[in-house]
Amino acid sequence: GAGVSQSPSNKVTEKGKDVELRCDPISGHTALYWYRQSLGQGLEFLIYFQGNSAPDKSGLPSDRFSAERTGGSVSTLTIQRTQQEDSAVYLCASSFQGQQETQYFGPGTRLLVL
Amino acid sequence: GENVEQHPSTLSVQEGDSAVIKCTYSDSASNYFPWYKQELGKGPQLIIDIRSNVGEKKDQRIAVTLNKTAKHFSLHITETQPEDSAVYFCAATLRDKTIFGAGTRLFVKA
Repeated sequence: GAGVSQSPSNKVTEKGKDVELRCDPISGHTALYWYRQSLGQGLEFLIYFQGNSAPDKSGLPSDRFSAERTGGSVSTLTIQRTQQEDSAVYLCASSFQGQQETQYFGPGTRLLVL
Repeated sequence: GENVEQHPSTLSVQEGDSAVIKCTYSDSASNYFPWYKQELGKGPQLIIDIRSNVGEKKDQRIAVTLNKTAKHFSLHITETQPEDSAVYFCAATLRDKTIFGAGTRLFVKA
């Protein structure tokens, strides 16, 4: 079946603009995760959804970052008033029920803030 | 909270040799330990995982060992091949929290 998809694959924006990143998880997966990966670095946890609720938002770096998930499926990560330090690859993952299972990652969205 | 340390950050081996990557975790209650492989330009992909009630697991050329007392776990790749070159991440999961190590960049020289 289809894996996790993310769009856009690449995004170039100007400092101060808002961006929306989309994630389509594997059908039937109730858990969804967002991570940020700076060039050559590890995975920085941002937020975790179980269904439509987010029990853990502790990784969001500032109030410019927000995320929502609707219908227990698609999720959108929004970054307002982008800064150059927001430039990174944003990875989405999903798992069937929770974190004690395999996380299936999408290919990521490469964000460049000029 | 949980903390995961991963070593080495870079590892270079000759094709056919073995590679070992080690991770330590801080919270003894962590009970799920996956390993992910990330190739250039792609998202990480699970290669093997182990739960806290098991000490070792093997899948062809890949094995993982877990020492709960010492709170460390290791990835072993035998008979390395050039296509094993990638970044490898360990992780430790405690209830609803997964913490990833910083990653190991593995180079397999032909």
